[in-house]
Amino acid sequence: AQKITQTQPGMFVQEKEAVTLDCTYDTSDPSYGLFWYKQPSSGEMIFLIYQGSYDQQNATEGRYSLNFQKARKSANLVISASQLGDSAMYFCAMKGTGGFKTIFGAGTRLFVKA
Amino acid sequence: ETGVTQTPRHLVMGMTNKKSLKCEQHLGHNAMYWYKQSAKKPLELMFVYNFKEQTENNSVPSRFSPECPNSSHLFLHLHTLQPEDSALYLCASSPFDRGNYGYTFGSGTRLTVV
Repeated sequence: AQKITQTQPGMFVQEKEAVTLDCTYDTSDPSYGLFWYKQPSSGEMIFLIYQGSYDQQNATEGRYSLNFQKARKSANLVISASQLGDSAMYFCAMKGTGGFKTIFGAGTRLFVKA
Repeated sequence: ETGVTQTPRHLVMGMTNKKSLKCEQHLGHNAMYWYKQSAKKPLELMFVYNFKEQTENNSVPSRFSPECPNSSHLFLHLHTLQPEDSALYLCASSPFDRGNYGYTFGSGTRLTVV
């Protein structure tokens, strides 16, 4: 069975500092993708970053990077230079390339302090 | 302006009412999804449509009836709902169901069943 675990219900970070949001996963599928989404209070889920299980390098998208450690089955999101607009819920998700449904973690609420 | 538009944004309905949620995308995507987001629970996949054909029904009660007339439109017909069905209903789309594509989500419909 596939599983996504986010152990941090809430995180605080000072504006302009970096923050790491944890995500661990479990799957028997040899090929899969890992995703991070942001959900502001408006409700819309925004796709942030993707990491393929066979990708050799960690994915980066602007201020977002994914710290992928395959042996440890972790896919942590790193946000550099936090901004007030980064305050939101963040969800880690996983999908197998074979087509099994995308599953989401419980989410981490990030609060950025001025 | 999101690429996926959901209407209405808010809906209050009685348990005997019949209503429909609408989702529209003009991104050229071929897969569309309904997710349910309840308080303190991970996102739950409800239905998947790929090229207008339903490819996943995640054991959803029959009081929820999806319809996908074309690849750009997705509906969720609701009838005789229960209070526990109150939640945020999110529609999403992706280029294809298989493969590792990030989803584009709408802003959701906040449903309250009274």
